[in-house]
Amino acid sequence: KAGVTQTPRYLIKTRGQQVTLSCSPISGHRSVSWYQQTPGQGLQFLFEYFSETQRNKGNFPGRFSGRQFSNSRSEMNVSTLELGDSALYLCASSLTDSLVVETQYFGPGTRLLVL
Amino acid sequence: AQKVTQAQTEISVVEKEDVTLDCVYETRDTTYYLFWYKQPPSGELVFLIRRNSFDEQNEISGRYSWNFQKSTSSFNFTITASQVVDSAVYFCALSESTWDNYGQNFVFGPGTRLSVLP
Repeated sequence: KAGVTQTPRYLIKTRGQQVTLSCSPISGHRSVSWYQQTPGQGLQFLFEYFSETQRNKGNFPGRFSGRQFSNSRSEMNVSTLELGDSALYLCASSLTDSLVVETQYFGPGTRLLVL
Repeated sequence: AQKVTQAQTEISVVEKEDVTLDCVYETRDTTYYLFWYKQPPSGELVFLIRRNSFDEQNEISGRYSWNFQKSTSSFNFTITASQVVDSAVYFCALSESTWDNYGQNFVFGPGTRLSVLP
């Protein structure tokens, strides 16, 4: 099975712009979670989508949003970029068809640099 | 609230030495799941192990072993006979079971950077 894929891998934007990142989960996985990783804050949970619905959300401002499509692919959007949004954005997918917490499998990440 | 602590920020060992990475967690749930991930320089988190709170059996997989102790809320990871390829950042993570909406919310520790020197 192919792993989690994320596009683009690298991105450079300027302050005030917006950006959209894409994630394709492992085939059959219906849950997609997004994380932001920075040297100062570590790995922080952004949100989780399951069956096109946001199930959980971390403590991030409304500039961070996401969505999931019927094929489980997900996108996250960051509007009005700030310098502090420079980070590695990781996407993870899992089965979560039951009450059991399933393993999350991560993609290679998108490295975003805001100038 | 759930929390994961990895007190060791960086560890350096010489190849073939054994090394233990510590993980201490906090949770009020009786049902929870613990994970270890490895992040090599490429950036992708690689899954190593998953353990639920009802299974305290220690596990060994090749050179890797894990010691889960609920009494001390610890889930430590040992690499035996370390190799240069083990150099990476290792993360311990905790996920409580969210019965109300079945959602997931992984909380990661700050990570331990392991350098294995030749």
